[in-house]
Amino acid sequence: EAGVAQSPRYKIIEKRQSVAFWCNPISGHATLYWYQQILGQGPKLLIQFQNNGVVDDSQLPKDRFSAERLKGVDSTLKIQPAKLEDSAVYLCASSLARMGSLPYEQYFGPGTRLTVT
Amino acid sequence: AQTVTQSQPEMSVQEAETVTLSCTYDTSESDYYLFWYKQPPSRQMILVIRQEAYKQQNATENRFSVNFQKAAKSFSLKISDSQLGDAAMYFCASNTGNQFYFGTGTSLTVIP
Repeated sequence: EAGVAQSPRYKIIEKRQSVAFWCNPISGHATLYWYQQILGQGPKLLIQFQNNGVVDDSQLPKDRFSAERLKGVDSTLKIQPAKLEDSAVYLCASSLARMGSLPYEQYFGPGTRLTVT
Repeated sequence: AQTVTQSQPEMSVQEAETVTLSCTYDTSESDYYLFWYKQPPSRQMILVIRQEAYKQQNATENRFSVNFQKAAKSFSLKISDSQLGDAAMYFCASNTGNQFYFGTGTSLTVIP
């Protein structure tokens, strides 16, 4: 079974530039998550999709961040314009939808390391 | 909202020895799940072990086991017979419904 794919793996941009990250979840996984992981911290959820609908984007800085999952499969996360504090690893994860009382496991991609200079 | 606290930024263990990583959480929910994730230097986060809050029995997965104290809201991870490949960042996480909350992580070093 192929894992969660992310690209690019690394990106360096200057502040005020734009950047986009791509994620392809595991086939059949309805739920997709984007996390921001700043160095030395745990992952922070930015946005969660269930199929192509947004379940939670309460921690997404909507003035500069946007995300979409148009066909309910792969997803893009965009930052426009970037700030220095956006330097972080952006993790994508996917999971099957929760069924009954069973917990569902998140499968993570390798992440995209963004450096804003 | 839930909070997850890992009070040990760094831990070390001698190879073949046992180490315990601490985690406390705060939630007002009655139905939730707890997880330990491992993040090696390659940064691919993988699940180590999970615990359903309604189960009293502590989860065990080979060399990994948890000590789940629901009343104290404590969820520690014990790694027995530590191996060099266990060296990584370990994150404690809680899940209620759709939300996942992660701690700040514990960096584990395994000394040969």
